[in-house]
Amino acid sequence: EDKVVQSPLSLVVHEGDTVTLNCSYEVTNFRSLLWYKQEKKAPTFLFMLTSSGIEKKSGRLSSILDKKELFSILNITATQTGDSAVYLCARHDYKLSFGAGTTVTVRA
Amino acid sequence: NAGVMQNPRHLVRRRGQEARLRCSPMKGHSHVYWYRQLPEEGLKFMVYLQKENIIDESGMPKERFSAEFPKEGPSILRIQQVVRGDSAAYFCASSPRTRPIIYNEQFFGPGTRLTVL
Repeated sequence: EDKVVQSPLSLVVHEGDTVTLNCSYEVTNFRSLLWYKQEKKAPTFLFMLTSSGIEKKSGRLSSILDKKELFSILNITATQTGDSAVYLCARHDYKLSFGAGTTVTVRA
Repeated sequence: NAGVMQNPRHLVRRRGQEARLRCSPMKGHSHVYWYRQLPEEGLKFMVYLQKENIIDESGMPKERFSAEFPKEGPSILRIQQVVRGDSAAYFCASSPRTRPIIYNEQFFGPGTRLTVL
């Protein structure tokens, strides 16, 4: 099974902090990597990354992919309590292979 | 444009009963995927279907589980003779039939939480 590893498994921050989430994968010939946010319900799509070195941004969230080193990071700046969730990354090869997720808790 | 719809949202079954989970993809989407999330575990791929075809069922348990996506109507995930270990959240996702499939986002439904007593 192709392995997707996320780190850290969990973290607690205060509002206004910046968090960086990591996702590494083992297969070198994958096509794209996806990030989702899950809050006790359906995973909500955040980003799809296909090209190395191109940052994608959506508000306070941004993500980038390094296909040479086989990893991606998701940044959240100026965190808010509403950012508390599990963040999932998934390798996309028509079916998604998910990491275990990073649980982010933002305290007021 | 309604999102992916799943029903029921919660389903309770006793051991040995059958569970039927339904998924209606987003309008215009012809690819359906089922994933399972066991308690304290990540999402695991189960099966990938297109209309009237099972494309990849490599993640499905070999026994008791089956899936279909008929020409008309929702996709169905069927679990026969349920056991306690089947208790999980079952998510359906859909994607459109545009671009190479590997470049299509998958959009998830709200899930069906199955509890086996």
